[in-house]
Amino acid sequence: NAGVMQNPRHLVRRRGQEARLRCSPMKGHSHVYWYRQLPEEGLKFMVYLQKENIIDESGMPKERFSAEFPKEGPSILRIQQVVRGDSAAYFCASSRQGAGSYNEQFFGPGTRLTVL
Amino acid sequence: AQKITQTQPGMFVQEKEAVTLDCTYDTSDPSYGLFWYKQPSSGEMIFLIYQGSYDQQNATEGRYSLNFQKARKSANLVISASQLGDSAMYFCAMREGRDQFYFGTGTSLTVIP
Repeated sequence: NAGVMQNPRHLVRRRGQEARLRCSPMKGHSHVYWYRQLPEEGLKFMVYLQKENIIDESGMPKERFSAEFPKEGPSILRIQQVVRGDSAAYFCASSRQGAGSYNEQFFGPGTRLTVL
Repeated sequence: AQKITQTQPGMFVQEKEAVTLDCTYDTSDPSYGLFWYKQPSSGEMIFLIYQGSYDQQNATEGRYSLNFQKARKSANLVISASQLGDSAMYFCAMREGRDQFYFGTGTSLTVIP
């Protein structure tokens, strides 16, 4: 009974490089959420996706960040031309349904991005 | 306005004692859910307990209970009989209407032997 999978667990990039973070939701889950956690802070919502659709990207920075959840394969959070301020833990969560107030999100272990 | 407010950056509790972690929320949506998550030093987010806005009774899960005061918009987490393994960051979260979760800034709990 695999949970939410994220890889890599740790990612080191130099300024200007691209970072690709992958998230495979739990089996049967079609809703994926990405969060960013800066050191000593709580989680900040970035984007909510269903298969092939971005539902809510209100928390996503306007530039350099993009997310997708293709019909086949994992969800990808892509950060282009990374800067030191992008260093953070990026968590993916998935849920079975999108509607209703009770819909627990199951979190992956996170990807810790370090930008040198 | 902050959707979720956790005013205690750090808390200490003696082992075997009970501790209350505060959480207040802000929403005008009549339907919402409140969640508590634990984040140990290893970094993963562990779901602890849920309270729905229409639930009449306070939620309980083992040693965790949620003191839900709707009129005051508070959803405090009570941990009874604290254990050393309870030392972690604790996040209060709310889901309203759609699917976005709002998280508080967290409370760091340290259990003292």
